[in-house]
Amino acid sequence: GAGVSQSPSNKVTEKGKDVELRCDPISGHTALYWYRQSLGQGLEFLIYFQGNSAPDKSGLPSDRFSAERTGGSVSTLTIQRTQQEDSAVYLCASSQGWVTDTQYFGPGTRLTVL
Amino acid sequence: AQSVTQLGSHVSVSEGALVLLRCNYSSSVPPYLFWYVQYPNQGLQLLLKYTTGATLVKGINGFEAEFKKSETSFHLTKPSAHMSDAAEYFCAVSDPPTGNKLTFGGGTRVLVKP
Repeated sequence: GAGVSQSPSNKVTEKGKDVELRCDPISGHTALYWYRQSLGQGLEFLIYFQGNSAPDKSGLPSDRFSAERTGGSVSTLTIQRTQQEDSAVYLCASSQGWVTDTQYFGPGTRLTVL
Repeated sequence: AQSVTQLGSHVSVSEGALVLLRCNYSSSVPPYLFWYVQYPNQGLQLLLKYTTGATLVKGINGFEAEFKKSETSFHLTKPSAHMSDAAEYFCAVSDPPTGNKLTFGGGTRVLVKP
């Protein structure tokens, strides 16, 4: 079946603009995760959804970052007033929801803030 | 907080030689342990995982890892490297029983020489 998909694959924006990144998880997966991969910080957890609720958003770096999930499926990560340090690859993953379940990753969205 | 240490950010091996990638974690209780591989411009793919049971875990592409509680380690090995093994490898942990998020090590980039 189809894997996790993310769009856009690349996004270039100017400092101060808002951006939206989209994630389509594997059908039937109740858990959805956002991670960020950057040269300086490596791979970092951002937020975790179980269904439409986010029991763990401890990794969001500032209040400029927000995420939502609707219909237990698609998720959107929004970054407001982007800064150059937001430049990174944003990875989405989904799983069947148990703590031992494999997280399947999408190809990522490469965000460049000029 | 959990932390994961991967010794060596870059490893060079000859084709046919042993691949050994080291991973140590810090945790007061045994976590769940994962190894992921990332090929250029792609998302992460699970190689193997340890949750409970047998401490020697076999994964895809001939890789295996052994959980050693006394050493807080989960080193990844492959007896004979292939050119296609050139990639970046990430060790990750999650905290049972409630921790769904993954904490990643810094990654080890593997170069395979002919």
